[in-house]
Amino acid sequence: ETGVTQSPTHLIKTRGQQVTLRCSSQSGHNTVSWYQQALGQGPQFIFQYYREEENGRGNFPPRFSGLQFPNYSSELNVNALELDDSALYLCASSPGRDRGIYEQYFGPGTRLTVT
Amino acid sequence: AQTVTQSQPEMSVQEAETVTLSCTYDTSESDYYLFWYKQPPSRQMILVIRQEAYKQQNATENRFSVNFQKAAKSFSLKISDSQLGDAAMYFCAYRLKTSYDKVIFGPGTSLSVIP
Repeated sequence: ETGVTQSPTHLIKTRGQQVTLRCSSQSGHNTVSWYQQALGQGPQFIFQYYREEENGRGNFPPRFSGLQFPNYSSELNVNALELDDSALYLCASSPGRDRGIYEQYFGPGTRLTVT
Repeated sequence: AQTVTQSQPEMSVQEAETVTLSCTYDTSESDYYLFWYKQPPSRQMILVIRQEAYKQQNATENRFSVNFQKAAKSFSLKISDSQLGDAAMYFCAYRLKTSYDKVIFGPGTSLSVIP
């Protein structure tokens, strides 16, 4: 069984630019969540996708957007990057509500640096 | 507000000894799940142990066990026979049963294991 993978591993962008981060869910998982983890802090929930639809959102502005594809892979897009967007972005997948299972399986993250 | 507090930013333990990490949380809901996650320097977030709020019996996974006090909203993690590989950031977290995959994380405790 393949685990959750994320790409790229590291990324450096300039303030004002746009970025796309990618996540490949674990096989059989139809729910994916994205988290932002600033240095020295716990992860903060950005949003969740279930069967290609946004299913919940944390306290993040609209310039954070996402997509989930039919194969349940996912993208996180951030527009108009700000310095405070520098963080580790984690993707987590789970079998979701269909199977009543609640564990999330995390990817290794993408380290985004905004200069 | 839904919050998780970990009052010990850093902890250390001698190899083979026992250590307890503290966690308190705040929610007005009665049905939820509690987790301890481990994040080693490799960044991969790994589920250590979980507890369902409606179960009074404390969860145990090999050397890891919890002390769940629902009335006090306390959920501490005990690591027995500490090993060098236990060195990592430990995050306490919870998820409301109604919120599917939105997990609220604490700020983390950095655990060092002394040989």
